[in-house]
Amino acid sequence: QQQVKQSPQSLIVQKGGISIINCAYENTAFDYFPWYQQFPGKGPALLIAIRPDVSEKKEGRFTISFNKSAKQFSLHIMDSQPGDSATYFCAASLNQGAQKLVFGQGTRLTINP
Amino acid sequence: NAGVMQNPRHLVRRRGQEARLRCSPMKGHSHVYWYRQLPEEGLKFMVYLQKENIIDESGMPKERFSAEFPKEGPSILRIQQVVRGDSAAYFCASSVQGNTEAFFGQGTRLTVV
Repeated sequence: QQQVKQSPQSLIVQKGGISIINCAYENTAFDYFPWYQQFPGKGPALLIAIRPDVSEKKEGRFTISFNKSAKQFSLHIMDSQPGDSATYFCAASLNQGAQKLVFGQGTRLTINP
Repeated sequence: NAGVMQNPRHLVRRRGQEARLRCSPMKGHSHVYWYRQLPEEGLKFMVYLQKENIIDESGMPKERFSAEFPKEGPSILRIQQVVRGDSAAYFCASSVQGNTEAFFGQGTRLTVV
């Protein structure tokens, strides 16, 4: 019940296209859903996060869509660029914050020029 | 404002030796979290600490692993009598409070030979 399932494992998108990564969770008590971006050899960097009282959050080219009834949330990257090529992790936690994040398995995104 | 600092970045230990991983949180952050990342997998929570207190160690292996965050100095993750299965990237994160965003360091890559 503590798992977060992420798909796809890998994704190839053409430059300028839309990249979509999906996550599903079981624990309805989760109340904080961040997305992290990780480049090889680096630590995860917080990209964008959402709380369950809203269905969508947008920051620049990055949008989180949240479906509370389906227990699913997704990351959309608009106008994808080669510099977006990285591994993306969704996560979830209780208590609205950083405590004990449960991470998805990750999606390796490649943007072809 | 420097980010979360971890050292060493790379650590090689022979089986049976001890590994000490250090983490200095961001300035003003008093909450520290340790995560482990195996190759091609997501991050797994290990332990959550505040100054001089272990808040949640539910992700720590029962034996050989310990963590501390003293009043002065960095947080330390200690692995005694390392085995090949301990080879992984270990990430530290910090936050201002438990219900605020977590920022990750660049990690320590431990290799046990």
